Order: sequence, then C-alpha cells, then structure tokens
Amino acid sequence: GAVVSQHPSRVICKSGTSVKIECRSLDFQATTMFWYRQFPKKSLMLMATSNEGSKATYEQGVEKDKFLINHASLTLSTLTVTSAHPEDSSFYICSARVGSSSETQYFGPGTRLLVL
Amino acid sequence: GQNIDQPTEMTATEGAIVQINCTYQTSGFNGLFWYQQHAGEAPTFLSYNVLDGLEEKGRFSSFLSRSKGYSYLLLKELQMKDSASYLCAAMDSNYQLIWGAGTKLIIKP
Repeated sequence: GAVVSQHPSRVICKSGTSVKIECRSLDFQATTMFWYRQFPKKSLMLMATSNEGSKATYEQGVEKDKFLINHASLTLSTLTVTSAHPEDSSFYICSARVGSSSETQYFGPGTRLLVL
Repeated sequence: GQNIDQPTEMTATEGAIVQINCTYQTSGFNGLFWYQQHAGEAPTFLSYNVLDGLEEKGRFSSFLSRSKGYSYLLLKELQMKDSASYLCAAMDSNYQLIWGAGTKLIIKP
C-alpha cells in the first residue's frame, strides 16, 4: 500500500525559532500533497494544498509567510513554521495523492509541535 | 456553504453493533470517505463510497445515499480496539476533502 512518512514525529522548540517538517511519499509519486493542522478534540483543518513544482495554495486565514511550503519533488513536501509561537502548538499532518483527481489521500503519521 | 454533520460522541458495548451517521452538503460531490483516528495518531482510511448503496469490508460497512446527502458507517462485533474517533469526509467538485468534526466512539466492556 501507499506509505507516507513525516519527520520529525515530535518536536519541541522555543518561541521565535523556525521548525521544518518533512512529508515523503515512500512508494509512489505524489503530484499533490496536503498539509493539515489538528487541535485537540477538533477536526482536521486544511492549511494548504501543494502541487509539485508550483506554489502552494493556502486556505483562508492561513499566513503563507508564516507557514512556508515547498513541494520540491514528487516525493517530498516540506512545511516550515517560521517564528513559531505557543499558539502554533498543534498536530500537523500531511497527506498525499496521486494525480489531481485521484480519490484517495494517504496520510502521514503526523508531527506534534510544542512551542514553549 | 459546505458542511459535514456527525454526532460528537457515541457509546457502545463490546460485541455489539453501532451505526455512525453523517450528513453532508458540498459544492459538487466526488465521494464520501470514512477514516479512523486513534488519539494522538493520524487518520487511517476505512472506506470510500461514490455510488449509492452499501459497501461491506469485514466488520465495517459504509452506506451512501447521494440523493439524501447521507452516509453511515456500521461497525459490527465491536472490539475494545475500535475505540477511536471516526471522521466523515466528503470530496467536493475540486477533489478537496471537506471534513466532519469526528465522532468519538467509546466502547464499554
């Protein structure tokens, strides 16, 4: 089956620092990757859609200068949380799909970010 | 607007059957997904329906009625490990997933 990995799985950082999260599709090429954020006991919130080789499309209310997304290859997308603040502490999950109209998204295991 | 509704929490007994309902309103429709999410983990895919009817997969079945904008996930022979949140998500005309808030299922012995 399709496998998506994320690294790191857990990160603690100081306020004001930047954190990079990697999302990799291990056994397939992902033309589209999605970045979600999930607060405790809440549903997934789509932050941005990332297509290989083009700029990410951000959802309303998500600051593109704060959450930098780079989809450099068909198997790797990165999310960088710049100048992190405690309110950015959350569970960040990426997903990947093959093609622009494929039905199934494959989820990574998630990255838990804690900003002190 | 686009909206997904599902109950916040349900309780069931080990060995029993439980049905989790989901209603949706989306701009266009390209299918309905159910995901299972254990606490602290990412969602895992359970089922996908795009045609009306019931899809059975082991202990789990999923039903869809496109005319009613309604789906349910049926879990049989409940086991303690089935305690989790179950997320309903509808795919709109742009192939974007619209997520429900999830139903927390509590299984009691």
